[in-house]
Amino acid sequence: GAVVSQHPSRVICKSGTSVKIECRSLDFQATTMFWYRQFPKQSLMLMATSNEGSKATYEQGVEKDKFLINHASLTLSTLTVTSAHPEDSSFYICSARARLLPRQGAYDHGELFFGEGSRLTVL
Amino acid sequence: AQKVTQAQTEISVVEKEDVTLDCVYETRDTTYYLFWYKQPPSGELVFLIRRNSFDEQNEISGRYSWNFQKSTSSFNFTITASQVVDSAVYFCALTTYNTDKLIFGTGTRLQVFP
Repeated sequence: GAVVSQHPSRVICKSGTSVKIECRSLDFQATTMFWYRQFPKQSLMLMATSNEGSKATYEQGVEKDKFLINHASLTLSTLTVTSAHPEDSSFYICSARARLLPRQGAYDHGELFFGEGSRLTVL
Repeated sequence: AQKVTQAQTEISVVEKEDVTLDCVYETRDTTYYLFWYKQPPSGELVFLIRRNSFDEQNEISGRYSWNFQKSTSSFNFTITASQVVDSAVYFCALTTYNTDKLIFGTGTRLQVFP
């Protein structure tokens, strides 16, 4: 199946620094990527939807200036946690949807692939 | 609004027991998709199954089986003859035709003891 790769898988940083997490679709073009956040022993909460070439759509309560998302190409989306603080420590997971073919419907919900996740620890 | 409820927070069983994980969903859309994912301790999400709202056939894949009941808005997951390697958090998720957001349940942590 299709592969989505996240990097880094683990990162530890000092409070006040910025951290960038990359999400790459390795063998397909992803028009849409999603960023989720998961606190320990909790569910995945959608943070934002990232569309190639346009601004990300953030969910209510997610700070745009805090979590910068860039989807510069059809295979790469990045999440930058700016001026990280200990409360930003979490598990961040991206998912990617394959580029639509003309014959497919508006959303091909089956073609959604998840990265391995990135665990951020802010000291 | 869409919602997924997994009422069982944690389940513990002994190896070889059968276990059923419950999932109840809410949506007003007539076209929707249901998913089950497995999240082992390593953290990655492993896709298990997708089911669309027009296909109520139950599915079996090895030791895994799924029971989709539209009448009760449930999409339950059964593991037969559980194994220690089945220990993980299992998430049920929902998306509908008119959105491309995946809504996750709170997950059920399954522990299988030898």
